[in-house]
Amino acid sequence: NAGVTQTPKFQVLKTGQSMTLQCAQDMNHNSMYWYRQDPGMGLRLIYYSASEGTTDKGEVPNGYNVSRLNKREFSLRLESAAPSQTSVYFCASTRQEMNTEAFFGQGTRLTVV
Amino acid sequence: DQQVKQNSPSLSVQEGRISILNCDYTNSMFDYFLWYKKYPAEGPTFLISISSIKDKNEDGRFTVFLNKSAKHLSLHIVPSQPGDSAVYFCAANPSGEYGNKLVFGAGTILRVKS
Repeated sequence: NAGVTQTPKFQVLKTGQSMTLQCAQDMNHNSMYWYRQDPGMGLRLIYYSASEGTTDKGEVPNGYNVSRLNKREFSLRLESAAPSQTSVYFCASTRQEMNTEAFFGQGTRLTVV
Repeated sequence: DQQVKQNSPSLSVQEGRISILNCDYTNSMFDYFLWYKKYPAEGPTFLISISSIKDKNEDGRFTVFLNKSAKHLSLHIVPSQPGDSAVYFCAANPSGEYGNKLVFGAGTILRVKS
């Protein structure tokens, strides 16, 4: 039972390069999320998808785009990476009902130089 | 402006004693609160939650207390074990929000010494 799987686990980018972080869940969850974790800041919501076919901005969406490819997959794209996007990125999923716990992937550590 | 605050960056406790992790929030629209535990190089894992209609929720060694008037919640771990050493995040969900558009605190590093 894999839960939430993120790829890659580590990535180093040069400023201006682009990349896509992949996320897939096998729990038949409706909602998926992308968070970033920075020291002293906790986890901050970048984008979320309440259900297949919908996406919405979170707290820190600038510089990112997302695609909800199907019910299982939710990708995060950096079109032109900046050093400020150096962070650990977590994908999460939940059932759609209110007030349920989120299940997180293992994270992607991204460094932009 | 952090809506969920964990003012203690770290806490050190002796094995077998009680660990108390604190969390304050400012948004009165929060009505569901969760604690997550995170080990290095892993994603956060759900630990325990509490709805705003309750003031206490217990699960084994873990108890969460909610004081709505003070906008304060705490996580008690009794007895503490070395395996509890991790980062603990407090999180809150605004009322009416489906799923989990959680707002997280900065985290508290708990070290349990054997």
